[in-house]
Amino acid sequence: AQRVTQPEKLLSVFKGAPVELKCNYSYSGSPELFWYVQYSRQRLQLLLRHISRESIKGFTADLNKGETSFHLKKPFAQEEDSAMYYCALGGNTDKLIFGTGTRLQVFP
Amino acid sequence: NAGVTQTPKFRILKIGQSMTLQCAQDMNHNYMYWYRQDPGMGLKLIYYSVGAGITDKGEVPNGYNVSRSTTEDFPLRLELAAPSQTSVYFCASSKPTGTEAFFGQGTRLTVV
Repeated sequence: AQRVTQPEKLLSVFKGAPVELKCNYSYSGSPELFWYVQYSRQRLQLLLRHISRESIKGFTADLNKGETSFHLKKPFAQEEDSAMYYCALGGNTDKLIFGTGTRLQVFP
Repeated sequence: NAGVTQTPKFRILKIGQSMTLQCAQDMNHNYMYWYRQDPGMGLKLIYYSVGAGITDKGEVPNGYNVSRSTTEDFPLRLELAAPSQTSVYFCASSKPTGTEAFFGQGTRLTVV
């Protein structure tokens, strides 16, 4: 089965603190992993995907096939990072499956 | 650039009524998806389509139907609305699943 687990519903940090949003997946094929973000009153939008191996807005995520994880990290959180973050899994099944999401709150 | 357009933005239905949520994209994407978003539950895939004339069930298809007669449009049909279908519905489109999915602004549906 194709499954994404985000164990934290809410993550609260102070500005400047490191952030790690956890994502684990279950998939028998070759996974394609993404992080999507939804800012208040805006559409979901792509933040980054594992195949690009890039840093967007200071966020990075590394695919760890051994641990079946794709955690999202940022060394110094900013207030504007406050949003809902979703991990998503695609692959050769053509489905794009999302996790339950983690709300990140960054306090000043 | 219009991208993915959903109509309506809001709707209140009575139990047992039917309605169609419209979704259109102008990016010539083959893949289209319908999700529902419930608090604490994330996005659940209802139906998806990999091209005109092809549709398939997602995680939570019961109570819904879709069609894909053109590349641009992917309407979602609720035949007998139930309170459990109260949710925010998102449509998305993409090239194959390894690429970015673009989302509509959502339809907030309340069934009373």
